[in-house]
Amino acid sequence: AQSVSQHNHHVILSEAASLELGCNYSYGGTVNLFWYVQYPGQHLQLLLKYFSGDPLVKGIKGFEAEFIKSKFSFNLRKPSVQWSDTAEYFCAVNVRGSARQLTFGSGTQLTVLP
Amino acid sequence: SQTIHQWPATLVQPVGSPLSLECTVEGTSNPNLYWYRQAAGRGLQLLFYSVGIGQISSEVPQNLSASRPQDRQFILSSKKLLLSDSGFYLCAWSVRHQPYEQYFGPGTRLTVT
Repeated sequence: AQSVSQHNHHVILSEAASLELGCNYSYGGTVNLFWYVQYPGQHLQLLLKYFSGDPLVKGIKGFEAEFIKSKFSFNLRKPSVQWSDTAEYFCAVNVRGSARQLTFGSGTQLTVLP
Repeated sequence: SQTIHQWPATLVQPVGSPLSLECTVEGTSNPNLYWYRQAAGRGLQLLFYSVGIGQISSEVPQNLSASRPQDRQFILSSKKLLLSDSGFYLCAWSVRHQPYEQYFGPGTRLTVT
């Protein structure tokens, strides 16, 4: 079965700092990759996704992620964070063709200090 | 546009009492439906998923069950709650033949006392 590891449980940054959140998955086959975000008091929502093609994908609010197949990684980045980016971020993997599930990482709580 | 509803938003129940959480989806037909439990520091754990009416797959054997009496309705139940059932329960849906992206509801916070 696939698994997802997020290395940072809690990240604290000042506004305008650059962000990189790590995500590694273990699965030998073809996968779809996702980052979800949960802002305080809000629904879990999709930030960006990778299915195929350009391994650098851009999502909402200036976020991007790069799929590096050889490293089984899908790290999330943002050049300059804002206070409003304070949220919990989840990496997720779905096995291509499976209706079954998304496998989620344990999440990273990002706190951006004003 | 599609929307997903869950209720109640919060629930406090005593140990040994029954449970029924409801999830409905609007604006789509024949969705895949999912129940997750979110625990602090542990991400989301898939509990059940359904690809059609009456079709339920269980991922984690436990004190809970799920049912899908209608195409866009998904119910999470328990006959007797345990303290360990406390948590945040999320319902999600995906397009039947494109099950890659899942869309989440607002969740139910369950506290078993």
